[in-house]
Amino acid sequence: KNQVEQSPQSLIILEGKNCTLQCNYTVSPFSNLRWYKQDTGRGPVSLTIMTFSENTKSNGRYTATLDADTKQSSLHITASQLSDSASYICVVSAEEYGNKLVFGAGTILRVKS
Amino acid sequence: SAVISQKPSRDICQRGTSLTIQCQVDSQVTMMFWYRQQPGQSLTLIATANQGSEATYESGFVIDKFPISRPNLTFSTLTVSNMSPEDSSIYLCSVATGGGSNQPQHFGDGTRLSIL
Repeated sequence: KNQVEQSPQSLIILEGKNCTLQCNYTVSPFSNLRWYKQDTGRGPVSLTIMTFSENTKSNGRYTATLDADTKQSSLHITASQLSDSASYICVVSAEEYGNKLVFGAGTILRVKS
Repeated sequence: SAVISQKPSRDICQRGTSLTIQCQVDSQVTMMFWYRQQPGQSLTLIATANQGSEATYESGFVIDKFPISRPNLTFSTLTVSNMSPEDSSIYLCSVATGGGSNQPQHFGDGTRLSIL
C-alpha cells in the first residue's frame, strides 16, 4: 500500500476556477509535508513545506493545509491559470526513514481556456 | 535556490550499453541525490551521493548497476550500466542546500532515457 496517496489522479478545470487536491499519508512520525509542482519535461519545483505544527501555508495562489491528526493535506489553487497545468506531488519526509522523502504518485491538473 | 544542470537531457541507447549522467550545481551543497521516475509513477530514491566516499544505495538498487561518483560538493555522476528496456525512465538529480530535515530539496530537469 502506498504510504502517500493522492486524489484525484487527474483533474480538468476551466481557467479562473479554483480547485483542491488531496493527500493522505500513513507515514508516522513525519518531519514535514511538501507539495511540489512538476511541469511536463521539467523537474519538480517546491511549492510549500509544512512541519507537523503548521496547519496552513501559502505561496501566491497556492495554499496548503495540513491536519496531522487525520494525516491529511490539501493543496488549494485559486483563480487557476493555464500555466498551472502540471503534476502536483505530495511528499512526506519521514523520521523513520532517516528523513528521506516519500513521494505520492501525483495529481495531473489540466487547466482549459 | 540552487541551479542544477543535468546532461544529457535525453538519450536513446542500445540494450547492453552504459550511459553516464552528469549533475552540476552552481553552488556547494550538503546533500546530492539520484532519483528515478518511471512513466506515470512517483519518484523513487536510487541513492545518496556522498562526497569523498561510496554512495548510499536504497533497497533494490546496487552499485554495479548504478555506479555513482561525487568528487566534490558541486558535481555528481550516475551511470546506468548494461541497460535493458526496463531501465527506460527519467533520472533526476536533486540537492539539499542546508542542514536539517525541513530544508527544501531542489531538482534538476532530469535525463529522459529510452533503451531499445
